[in-house]
Amino acid sequence: GAGVSQTPSNKVTEKGKYVELRCDPISGHTALYWYRQSLGQGPEFLIYFQGTGAADDSGLPNDRFFAVRPEGSVSTLKIQRTERGDSAVYLCASSLPLAGGGVNEQFFGPGTRLTVL
Amino acid sequence: GQQLNQSPQSMFIQEGEDVSMNCTSSSIFNTWLWYKQEPGEGPVLLIALYKAGELTSNGRLTAQFGITRKDSFLNISASIPSDVGIYFCAGQLGKGAQKLVFGQGTRLTINP
Repeated sequence: GAGVSQTPSNKVTEKGKYVELRCDPISGHTALYWYRQSLGQGPEFLIYFQGTGAADDSGLPNDRFFAVRPEGSVSTLKIQRTERGDSAVYLCASSLPLAGGGVNEQFFGPGTRLTVL
Repeated sequence: GQQLNQSPQSMFIQEGEDVSMNCTSSSIFNTWLWYKQEPGEGPVLLIALYKAGELTSNGRLTAQFGITRKDSFLNISASIPSDVGIYFCAGQLGKGAQKLVFGQGTRLTINP
């Protein structure tokens, strides 16, 4: 079946512009996660949705970053007034409904490479 | 914030050699996971460890969850060219908390 898809695969923008990054999770996965991966680093957690609501947004670096998941499926990560330091690969992952508080495997998409000039 | 220290940062080995990499943390984790990432792709889960002291194998891969819950290692035996990639450890802090904390990665290069 289809995996997690992310669009666009690459986005080049200018400093100060607004960008939206989209994530389509695996069908039936109620949990959705956003991570940011800088060059040469591991992914860093940004935000996690359970259904439509953000269950943990503690990783969002500042108020320029915002994410929504209005119907509990597709999610959009929005970045306002982009800065050069926002350049990174933004990864989305999804997982099945949680069972007993344990870990459900997170399936990652290929990411969106954002470059802010 | 929480950090995982992963070593080595990179490895250059000959095909057929065994590989070992590890992760340590100042924080206790309830779950340790090992992922592999190839260029242009997201990380893919290799092994998940749920109990302190647990030793788990997946084919040529073996991983252990340290008894203190602050460390883990991953071994790859008899490496082959398709093992090339970046390996990440990741930890989950508490029960029900779904945020994963990742290490910096180990880049594995194999000379045929």
